[in-house]
Amino acid sequence: DAKTTQPNSMESNEEEPVHLPCNHSTISGTDYIHWYRQLPSQGPEYVIHGLTSNVNNRMASLAIAEDRKSSTLILHRATLRDAAVYYCILRDENYGGSQGNLIFGKGTKLSVKP
Amino acid sequence: DTGVSQDPRHKITKRGQNVTFRCDPISEHNRLYWYRQTLGQGPEFLTYFQNEAQLEKSRLLSDRFSAERPKGSFSTLEIQRTEQGDSAMYLCASRTDRGHSPLHFGNGTRLTVT
Repeated sequence: DAKTTQPNSMESNEEEPVHLPCNHSTISGTDYIHWYRQLPSQGPEYVIHGLTSNVNNRMASLAIAEDRKSSTLILHRATLRDAAVYYCILRDENYGGSQGNLIFGKGTKLSVKP
Repeated sequence: DTGVSQDPRHKITKRGQNVTFRCDPISEHNRLYWYRQTLGQGPEFLTYFQNEAQLEKSRLLSDRFSAERPKGSFSTLEIQRTEQGDSAMYLCASRTDRGHSPLHFGNGTRLTVT
């Protein structure tokens, strides 16, 4: 599986936008970019995913570079409840083995200051 | 949608004892995954079921570990002759067959081996 690189940690102020970067220079054409987050003492939670085009949902936006070698998860207005570890993961939708399996890295720990 | 349920939430056991964890996936999800997570790390894939068939096992799943999903609904993960290194959070996730469908995680079972 192609790997991703994320900063270990980031800080944000409450009610300000947060841009969480992810590098995936070895991404293949069939890899989708998935983001999950994990709040303290909980299992990971799906945030968003995309292939080539930018994506928006009620939780966040995903901006994907034109060459697809990097992406950015955007939280438009951070709240204290957004403090979590954010994982950027590549998933090959055509992989014939454990389709849907996610390979997690260490993610980015986001702290939100009031 | 009641979410993925895991039981128990916490388990403390003595080294050498056997333990069993249960996972109840979301009812219409035919794919079920087990992960293990240690402190400061992202979840690591252990094994995967499609309906009742166990289709893939990670090298992390030693012969002391066994997972079942007898009727394609709930699943159990058993660890025999526990070791201190087995102390971790054990996470279960499920998803549908539809392409790109996200994984839904439970809140895990935290195992402490003393």
